[in-house]
Amino acid sequence: IAGITQAPTSQILAAGRRMTLRCTQDMRHNAMYWYRQDLGLGLRLIHYSNTAGTTGKGEVPDGYSVSRANTDDFPLTLASAVPSQTSVYFCASSESAGGRDTQYFGPGTRLTVL
Amino acid sequence: GQNIDQPTEMTATEGAIVQINCTYQTSGFNGLFWYQQHAGEAPTFLSYNVLDGLEEKGRFSSFLSRSKGYSYLLLKELQMKDSASYLCAVISNDYKLSFGAGTTVTVRA
Repeated sequence: IAGITQAPTSQILAAGRRMTLRCTQDMRHNAMYWYRQDLGLGLRLIHYSNTAGTTGKGEVPDGYSVSRANTDDFPLTLASAVPSQTSVYFCASSESAGGRDTQYFGPGTRLTVL
Repeated sequence: GQNIDQPTEMTATEGAIVQINCTYQTSGFNGLFWYQQHAGEAPTFLSYNVLDGLEEKGRFSSFLSRSKGYSYLLLKELQMKDSASYLCAVISNDYKLSFGAGTTVTVRA
């Protein structure tokens, strides 16, 4: 089934640990995005990639890093997790980076940092 | 930064109509999306408006007025499965989506 997959589904993590959230899409979309969703704040953009080999910072990039080695994969890494990074993380993709293309979202990763 | 406002919660009866308003103040405007998000699930696309006016898709319609910085999503003939959060999102000059906090709609029998 075409779409976006994320792993893990949920994770409890000790503060200070390193964690990588995985995202893979099979739609051959050029653009990919990472958002976090917190109650009352809506979805906020962490990092994005307009095409393979390029990445950019979104609204809340601090404490996170990304890479885009190929078209399909866009992992998000927390180098040293802190409790404020407790959130639901969604990966998304769109055909192009022009903004007008519909973004398709993965099922999300629920992360708890203790 | 971008400012996108929508009501936090709305409640309506099965079979009724509900209108969810969204006002925005952003750095430029290149279009507005509405997404639906059921509890514990991913957002899914509902509609896209870039020109003024009404776009109708079955029971759902979306309206845009660029001069007023205003949009609404109209849900007709409400069904229990329409209970969800509805997210308004605007594309600004940097071609990135900025989301409102979402409106949780509860449909009662």
